[in-house]
Amino acid sequence: DAKTTQPPSMDCAEGRAANLPCNHSTISGNEYVYWYRQIHSQGPQYIIHGLKNNETNEMASLIITEDRKSSTLILPHATLRDTAVYYCIVRVVASGSARQLTFGSGTQLTVLP
Amino acid sequence: EADIYQTPRYLVIGTGKKITLECSQTMGHDKMYWYQQDPGMELHLIHYSYGVNSTEKGDLSSESTVSRIRTEHFPLTLESARPSHTSQYLCASSDARDINNEQFFGPGTRLTVL
Repeated sequence: DAKTTQPPSMDCAEGRAANLPCNHSTISGNEYVYWYRQIHSQGPQYIIHGLKNNETNEMASLIITEDRKSSTLILPHATLRDTAVYYCIVRVVASGSARQLTFGSGTQLTVLP
Repeated sequence: EADIYQTPRYLVIGTGKKITLECSQTMGHDKMYWYQQDPGMELHLIHYSYGVNSTEKGDLSSESTVSRIRTEHFPLTLESARPSHTSQYLCASSDARDINNEQFFGPGTRLTVL
């Protein structure tokens, strides 16, 4: 699975959009971009994933560049509860195989009141 | 809402004790995983399972062992706990039929070995 690079920490004002970047310059054509987050002392939580098109769900939006070498997770209106470590993970998705997640160090997002 | 449970949530024990960390899921998922995470550090996969009677070691070497006798149950055992085993242990599961392979995590067990 391709490696990812994320800034170690970011701050965001409550109510503003939080834009979390991720570089994955060695991504291959069959690898997806996944985002998970981990609130302090809890298990990680799935947020969103995508292959090459931009994706949006009730939690966030995922913007993937055309060359797929980087992506941005957008939390449109950050709240204090969004304070967490955000992990960007790139991996192949194939049914029938146990594709475990390889977590990096992530980005510690702190939403400020 | 994910239905994956871990017990105990917190455990403090003495060196040399045998312990079993429980993990159960009610979603019928074939795949289950154990991750280990030290405070403020990355998660590392230590065990995973494709299904009943299938277990594999993960990326990080661990002295723990696992078993998968039933689909819903994936316990982790330490035969003789040591202070170096102090960590948070996270269990996860996913559906083998889910092409997205989303993993659902339990709340974790925070283990302290004195």
